[in-house]
Amino acid sequence: GAGVSQSPSNKVTEKGKDVELRCDPISGHTALYWYRQSLGQGLEFLIYFQGNSAPDKSGLPSDRFSAERTGGSVSTLTIQRTQQEDSAVYLCASSFPGLAQDTQYFGPGTRLTVL
Amino acid sequence: GQNIDQPTEMTATEGAIVQINCTYQTSGFNGLFWYQQHAGEAPTFLSYNVLDGLEEKGRFSSFLSRSKGYSYLLLKELQMKDSASYLCAVRRTSGGYNKLIFGAGTRLAVHP
Repeated sequence: GAGVSQSPSNKVTEKGKDVELRCDPISGHTALYWYRQSLGQGLEFLIYFQGNSAPDKSGLPSDRFSAERTGGSVSTLTIQRTQQEDSAVYLCASSFPGLAQDTQYFGPGTRLTVL
Repeated sequence: GQNIDQPTEMTATEGAIVQINCTYQTSGFNGLFWYQQHAGEAPTFLSYNVLDGLEEKGRFSSFLSRSKGYSYLLLKELQMKDSASYLCAVRRTSGGYNKLIFGAGTRLAVHP
């Protein structure tokens, strides 16, 4: 597709359940980023992928959070045993670091609500 | 450490000019981005500065002073649709890759 896509757009889950969030980056973009945005807050970096490798996982808030990327394309962010404080919008972005500007382009996000 | 400051909220009148400031402190600075984010939507890229000076793009301009750790976004001929949050993001290069650090955003309300 032309832009970054994410699914689902909304996810409501019960505390303690696992969730998977998906990101399809722009075709050809080798870099992929996950962010979290709580209501009225800025974007909080979670993890960065270059190809299928994740050289920076420093933003993952706990070991309940994990992410993978396959085929240098689709990425999945998994949250295990969800907690209410995990409620937020999860945004994915992709970029092509081969260009000097390396602009990140964002998907529409997944709004996660943990009851 | 890293710190990015921008005002939380601003209001302006349709047709006017507004300037949104951003100050930052970071190591490995390698550019500054401005994004626009309408409520419930994804951030969209507005502008990029890596050298000192002004970059103009239609009604929007962005300025950078690296020595002062300062940037601003200037919006001219404001329209109601410009009501949105404006995110300042500093790019750091470390370990051979780029990373964006975002400010909390400035919520701009444009009124008639």
